[in-house]
Amino acid sequence: EAQVTQNPRYLITVTGKKLTVTCSQNMNHEYMSWYRQDPGLGLRQIYYSMNVEVTDKGDVPEGYKVSRKEKRNFPLILESPSPNQTSLYFCASSRPGTGGVKQYFGPGTRLTVT
Amino acid sequence: KQEVTQIPAALSVPEGENLVLNCSFTDSAIYNLQWFRQDPGKGLTSLLLIQSSQREQTSGRLNASLDKSSGRSTLYIAASQPGDSATYLCAVEGGSNYKLTFGKGTLLTVNP
Repeated sequence: EAQVTQNPRYLITVTGKKLTVTCSQNMNHEYMSWYRQDPGLGLRQIYYSMNVEVTDKGDVPEGYKVSRKEKRNFPLILESPSPNQTSLYFCASSRPGTGGVKQYFGPGTRLTVT
Repeated sequence: KQEVTQIPAALSVPEGENLVLNCSFTDSAIYNLQWFRQDPGKGLTSLLLIQSSQREQTSGRLNASLDKSSGRSTLYIAASQPGDSATYLCAVEGGSNYKLTFGKGTLLTVNP
């Protein structure tokens, strides 16, 4: 089954404690990205990756890092989380360029930083 | 900068009613437009994707249209059911980074 998986699904942590949210897809997609969803602000892109070792900033990259060492994985790293990073995070993947390929989303990770 | 607006923000209808959700976008240089469904606290489920060269797509009771030149899309839901209650998100894909720009959604409640 084609899917994007994220772990953990729920996480409560404290300010400054480094954490990683993993994302993995089984569709051999070149493109992967991370979004955060906040009430009143909607979904905003954090980082994206066009392929292995190719990453770039989205609209709200401050406080986040990513890496793409393997095609299937795209972890999101918060080196020193702060309360304003409390949010619902989604990973997505696709094979872009044709216009007709939808983006697949993971189930989301709800992060609370106290 | 692409902006996506969805109207109305919330909609409450009785079961069985046909309804239309609206989406508008400011930059017509898009690859496609997608409609998603999101249940409370859950992930996004892709409902329909319309390529920029297409005018509409249908899936079951759902029909989405796209007028790229005017920057508008509609999602038509026929014979609504309580199980259709969710937030519906419109997103356009475009730019060199294939980013999805989302609207803030329409919260739909279908009352039995």
